Amino acid sequence: KQEVTQIPAALSVPEGENLVLNCSFTDSAIYNLQWFRQDPGKGLTSLLLIQSSQREQTSGRLNASLDKSSGRSTLYIAASQPGDSATYLCAVWDGGTSYGKLTFGQGTILTVHP
Amino acid sequence: ETGVTQTPRHLVMGMTNKKSLKCEQHLGHNAMYWYKQSAKKPLELMFVYNFKEQTENNSVPSRFSPECPNSSHLFLHLHTLQPEDSALYLCASSQEHGSNYGYTFGSGTRLTVV
Repeated sequence: KQEVTQIPAALSVPEGENLVLNCSFTDSAIYNLQWFRQDPGKGLTSLLLIQSSQREQTSGRLNASLDKSSGRSTLYIAASQPGDSATYLCAVWDGGTSYGKLTFGQGTILTVHP
Repeated sequence: ETGVTQTPRHLVMGMTNKKSLKCEQHLGHNAMYWYKQSAKKPLELMFVYNFKEQTENNSVPSRFSPECPNSSHLFLHLHTLQPEDSALYLCASSQEHGSNYGYTFGSGTRLTVV
């Protein structure tokens, strides 16, 4: 059974810092990995999707890497801003089925203070 | 608004009530999902529908009854719920694996059972 772990559980940083969120998964037979952002009481917003054949994806100040063989992914946020404060969720799309089946980590709660 | 719309946004119901959650996707995806998000727990997959056929029921109690009349609409019928069923219920859609777009989530329905 796939298990996804995110470290740290919570992170508080001053504005302007670069930061790294970590995600690890136990079964490397995945189709892709997706990072999401969730604001309090809201749904999930997709940030980046990395296919299993890719090593990284970038969108603006965000960069996500994937090391499938070691079961790890990192989300790098450059020049953090208070608006980045949210919960960040990592999810892996397990292989073996034609439809997707996402397994989520528990998330990292990020607070960026002015 | 994302391409996945959920209604209602908030719902308070008694344990003897019957209610339904609705989800609609405008993305042309062929798979739809119900996830449950409880406090301090990772998102849990409840049901998967692929081309209108239920392909997974993740040991969900029978007081939750899904319905997928077509590939664009998904319902979750609720009856005789328990207070521990209070949670954020999220609907999502996707294409089959290999998609470059991953999952798209709705904004969720915040359910409170009293």
